[in-house]
Amino acid sequence: QLQLQESGPGLVKPSETLSLTCTVSGGSISSSSYYWGWIRQPPGKGLEWIGSIYYSGSTYYNPSLKSRVTISVDTSKNQFSLKLSSVTAADTAVYYCASESDPTCWGQGTLVTVSS
Amino acid sequence: DIQMTQSPSSLSASVGDRVTITCQASQDISNYLNWYQQKPGKAPKLLIYDASNLETGVPSRFSGSGSGTDFTFTISSLQPEDIATYYCQQYDNLPALTFGGGTKVEIK
Repeated sequence: QLQLQESGPGLVKPSETLSLTCTVSGGSISSSSYYWGWIRQPPGKGLEWIGSIYYSGSTYYNPSLKSRVTISVDTSKNQFSLKLSSVTAADTAVYYCASESDPTCWGQGTLVTVSS
Repeated sequence: DIQMTQSPSSLSASVGDRVTITCQASQDISNYLNWYQQKPGKAPKLLIYDASNLETGVPSRFSGSGSGTDFTFTISSLQPEDIATYYCQQYDNLPALTFGGGTKVEIK
């Protein structure tokens, strides 16, 4: 059974780049037909899709964040990553990685706070 | 972009009550709709997939219906452990996902 785990800094300064990694276990990130995604949830608010990457490396981003988001995959480490540039306090949220092809499969989430 | 309008945003009901949440898509999404339950500090948990299919292990008091643009999620008999926020999510244009705004369910 697939398991996902987010990792990365819990505190990022304004204007800097937020970087998170999701490690996939229990299966290969290169499995065909799998989309791997990032979703975030500001404190007390709803869920927002950030973007995703296909096993082949094709990427898809939320238009509202597209100019600041990069998602990449490292098949050798069975990981995919999120970079969000020029962050502000509005980017403070719990960030989840998920297998979009298996809606049961989410990481536990990691809180990232943007503050100086 | 597909927008999902979920209502109500919150509700309060008594144990044993029937609870209904609705979700409307801005365009036809066939049955490409999931319902999730989220408890504080936890990741969302899938309850219903393909609009009406109960995920394995989920109690039968949870159900979903609808297709096209209008969907309904029902808890037939509210239990104390059902206190949570519920979200609909469309995946008609996967990998782009859209979530409803959420419904916070409380016990009266």
